[in-house]
Parts: sequence; structure tokens; C-alpha cells
Amino acid sequence: DSGVTQTPKHLITATGQRVTLRCSPRSGDLSVYWYQQSLDQGLQFLIQYYNGEERAKGNILERFSAQQFPDLHSELNLSSLELGDSALYFCASSVDWGELFFGEGSRLTVL
Amino acid sequence: QQQVKQSPQSLIVQKGGISIINCAYENTAFDYFPWYQQFPGKGPALLIAIRPDVSEKKEGRFTISFNKSAKQFSLHIMDSQPGDSATYFCAASNVGGGADGLTFGKGTHLIIQP
Repeated sequence: DSGVTQTPKHLITATGQRVTLRCSPRSGDLSVYWYQQSLDQGLQFLIQYYNGEERAKGNILERFSAQQFPDLHSELNLSSLELGDSALYFCASSVDWGELFFGEGSRLTVL
Repeated sequence: QQQVKQSPQSLIVQKGGISIINCAYENTAFDYFPWYQQFPGKGPALLIAIRPDVSEKKEGRFTISFNKSAKQFSLHIMDSQPGDSATYFCAASNVGGGADGLTFGKGTHLIIQP
């Protein structure tokens, strides 16, 4: 158990819909990262937050947004969903940099 | 776009053999090179990591070899065991330049045959 909790574990929705994925980092970790994992693209970095502030942005679509709350949990919002958004979405946390601790992921299926 | 290229995509090794996975990177600013191991249904977990000031790091049966001039690094698994069967990802980041998230290779699906 990495100590990172992600909900929901599975989510099935339709195209055009909006979903929210939630992540609780390890106790004491200030950084939260979001990654998208698909079969053909591997693990793609989406965005990083550090202590409530956006620190780095990767290949995150404009339809996606994230935030980190004062209690350090984070949410990833995915809107206007398309079939190609079906993937595993991982949250990871770290104290600052270095070792990332990953949750078990949220599997999103868009039908 | 920063890239980390990983090969092979899949690998089958006999029990007791040596598994070798290779990665190459382009960005010379990368200064942290971890390997992550992922089992089905689980998130990736850090296996071993190296900084560019050393050419090799060994932890148990796992060794990272690093070639800074060639911009390549590799993972060697000695005496491979069926329990090592998993997907392995190399990654890189520019820690010194600010935390910008790890850039991952596309992964190697390793199968260790009994």
C-alpha cells in the first residue's frame, strides 16, 4: 500500500459527460501529480501541484483541469469526454521531488 | 517534446537468467533516472534510481548502468524470478531545474518463464 488513495477505482460514462477523479496523497506529502496511462502512450504526465499551487503542466488537454485543496487532496476534472479519454488515471504524491508514490489508479471508460 | 525511449517493448526470460531493459534520453538537463515496476491492477512503484554522478547502482538483484555521454541507461535484473514478471518503466526528470514531473518510457512487459 503506497498510502495514496484514489477514487473511484472504476468509472463508466458516456461521451460528452464530465467526471471528477479524487486523490488523497500520503500523509505529509505536499506534491501531487496526475498521470494518464494508455496502452499506446504509456504514462503521460498531466499536471503537478505543490502545496495548493500549480507547479508544472504536461500534456494536459484544455478539457481537463485539476486543483489541490488546502487539505492537500486533489481532484482531476475531465469534461466533454471523448472515446479517446478512456484510460487509467494515476495520482502520485511526493514530499517535494524524487520518489513518487502512486495510487492504484482510476479506470475511466467512455462509451 | 522531452522523450525517453525504452526498449524492448516486451521481453521473455528464463528463470535464473538476466533481464536487460534499455532506455535513451534526449534532454541533457535530466539529472534523475528512476525505474518503476508495475504489477497488473497496481500503480507503478519505485524500484531503483540513479543520479548522473555515478555510472552504476546496485540494489540486490537489480542494477542500473548509466552512460552519460551516450545518454543511455539500463536496468539489469540478475537471477530473474517469476515474481519479477511485471511491466517496467524507465523515467527521467530535471530535478535541478525544478520539479516538472517524471517523463516515462513506454514500458517493457517482462515475463519470466519458470
